[in-house]
Amino acid sequence: AQKVTQAQTEISVVEKEDVTLDCVYETRDTTYYLFWYKQPPSGELVFLIRRNSFDEQNEISGRYSWNFQKSTSSFNFTITASQVVDSAVYFCALSGSLLNDYKLSFGAGTTVTVRA
Amino acid sequence: ETGVTQTPRHLVMGMTNKKSLKCEQHLGHNAMYWYKQSAKKPLELMFVYSLEERVENNSVPSRFSPECPNSSHLFLHLHTLQPEDSALYLCASSQLGVGNTGELFFGEGSRLTVL
Repeated sequence: AQKVTQAQTEISVVEKEDVTLDCVYETRDTTYYLFWYKQPPSGELVFLIRRNSFDEQNEISGRYSWNFQKSTSSFNFTITASQVVDSAVYFCALSGSLLNDYKLSFGAGTTVTVRA
Repeated sequence: ETGVTQTPRHLVMGMTNKKSLKCEQHLGHNAMYWYKQSAKKPLELMFVYSLEERVENNSVPSRFSPECPNSSHLFLHLHTLQPEDSALYLCASSQLGVGNTGELFFGEGSRLTVL
């Protein structure tokens, strides 16, 4: 069975602070994929990143960075110099081999509030 | 046109009403999904249609009835719902098979309130 745990329910920061969202996963698959999605107040989930289990390189995209640690089964997400527009619910998700796999296991989400 | 469109955005219904949620995707994908999002809980996968065939029915009560008339449209028919069914219902689409990136494209959701 696959499981994603986001232990932080809510995080509140002041603008320009860094914020790190934790994600811990469980899977028996040797090949799997990890995702982060952002859900702004408008409701739709927006894809941020996908990593496969063979690529442990950290990734940076603008103010966003991701730290994938297979040894601890974690895929953490950091927002640097946060802005009010970063306020949203962030979901970590996990899937098996992609070819015909449609089952994404989502975490419960972390609500980030960035105050001006 | 946005990729995945859901209507209505908000719906209030009584427990004896019958209503439907509609989803349309303009991305040429071959799979469509219904997810339920309740407060403080992980997204729950309800139904999956691949090439217009239902491939997943995740123990969803029969008061929820999906319909996928073609690869671009997905409906969720609702009848005799319970107050605990109040939630945000999200539609998504993706491309399964060759070209599957694992990315789901979501609509903005239909906020359902059952009185």
